[in-house]
Amino acid sequence: DAKTTQPNSMESNEEEPVHLPCNHSTISGTDYIHWYRQLPSQGPEYVIHGLTSNVNNRMASLAIAEDRKSSTLILHRATLRDAAVYYCILSGNYGGSQGNLIFGKGTKLSVKP
Amino acid sequence: DGGITQSPKYLFRKEGQNVTLSCEQNLNHDAMYWYRQDPGQGLRLIYYSQIVNDFQKGDIAEGYSVSREKKESFPLTVTSAQKNPTAFYLCASKKEYSSYNEQFFGPGTRLTVL
Repeated sequence: DAKTTQPNSMESNEEEPVHLPCNHSTISGTDYIHWYRQLPSQGPEYVIHGLTSNVNNRMASLAIAEDRKSSTLILHRATLRDAAVYYCILSGNYGGSQGNLIFGKGTKLSVKP
Repeated sequence: DGGITQSPKYLFRKEGQNVTLSCEQNLNHDAMYWYRQDPGQGLRLIYYSQIVNDFQKGDIAEGYSVSREKKESFPLTVTSAQKNPTAFYLCASKKEYSSYNEQFFGPGTRLTVL
């Protein structure tokens, strides 16, 4: 399974943008890039996913490098409620067992008021 | 409101006892999943089910069992064969197994073995 590398932790100030990096140098051409986040003592929640092009939704933006070996999750204005562990995950594009999510340790984001 | 419910939120069991964790969804999703999370770690897949009456082992299935008799329910039994069962257990579902739809997670059950 293709693996991802994320920093263990990051800090941000409230109302400032946050850029969460993820390296996935062994990504295959058919792997999707997913981001989930987990607030303390809760189940993870979906944030965003993409394949090749940059993606935007109401929660965040996903910037994917041209060679697809890295990506960045962008929170445009961090709030205290964004403090969570953020997981960058690769999965196959055919669904089935290749579509199963493999969670690493993620990046713990702290937001300072 | 549609969603996934897990019960109980906290569960205590004595060593050597089997215990069953409940997971129910009213999202009409075909696929369901069970994960285990240890402190400071990511989630690890225990079992998953593509459809009713079918399920497959994940990465750490030893000491666990599941059933999928109804579409909306996917209970997990932690047996006495599980050597270190104390953990946070999360259930998830997805609309279709063979798609890229997002997984929706329940609030989790924290199991402690005394």
